[in-house]
Amino acid sequence: AQTVTQSQPEMSVQEAETVTLSCTYDTSESDYYLFWYKQPPSRQMILVIRQEAYKQQNATENRFSVNFQKAAKSFSLKISDSQLGDAAMYFCALSGTYKYIFGTGTRLKVLA
Amino acid sequence: DAGVIQSPRHEVTEMGQEVTLRCKPISGHNSLFWYRQTMMRGLELLIYFNNNVPIDDSGMPEDRFSAKMPNASFSTLKIQPSEPRDSAVYFCASRWHLETSVETQYFGPGTRLLVL
Repeated sequence: AQTVTQSQPEMSVQEAETVTLSCTYDTSESDYYLFWYKQPPSRQMILVIRQEAYKQQNATENRFSVNFQKAAKSFSLKISDSQLGDAAMYFCALSGTYKYIFGTGTRLKVLA
Repeated sequence: DAGVIQSPRHEVTEMGQEVTLRCKPISGHNSLFWYRQTMMRGLELLIYFNNNVPIDDSGMPEDRFSAKMPNASFSTLKIQPSEPRDSAVYFCASRWHLETSVETQYFGPGTRLLVL
């Protein structure tokens, strides 16, 4: 069975600082993909970043980057230069052939 | 490009009434997913379709829930009869499914359902 665990229900960061959100997963598949989605108060689910498991290089998207540790089955999200608009729920997701498995989410608060 | 379109955005109904949620996936996508999100249970996958065919409906909570995808551009999720515990945000998502890779799921804005 595939599982995704986000052990931090809530995190806080000062504006302009850096924060890292943790995610661990378990899967028996050799080919899979990992995602981070952001859900602001509007409830819209927005893709932040994706990582193919076969790629060793960590994905980056502007201020967002991941630390993908395949052996440890860890997939953390780093947000640099945090902005007030980054305040949201962040979901880690694992995908096999068809389904996505989502974690329970981490609520990020950005302090002015 | 238009994203995933869901209607209605908000629905308030009384217990026992039939509720129909609608979804139009992104043009060209061949996989469609229905999710339910609540505070207690988080984000749950209800059912997904590939090429208009239901592949896995094991997440559908009970017989009161049914989903259809009559064509590539339209899907419905129906609850009959509705109950207060069905109150949640229902998301539709779509993606292009390939055998050789996993493409990103794109979510609609959700339908916020309140059953009184």
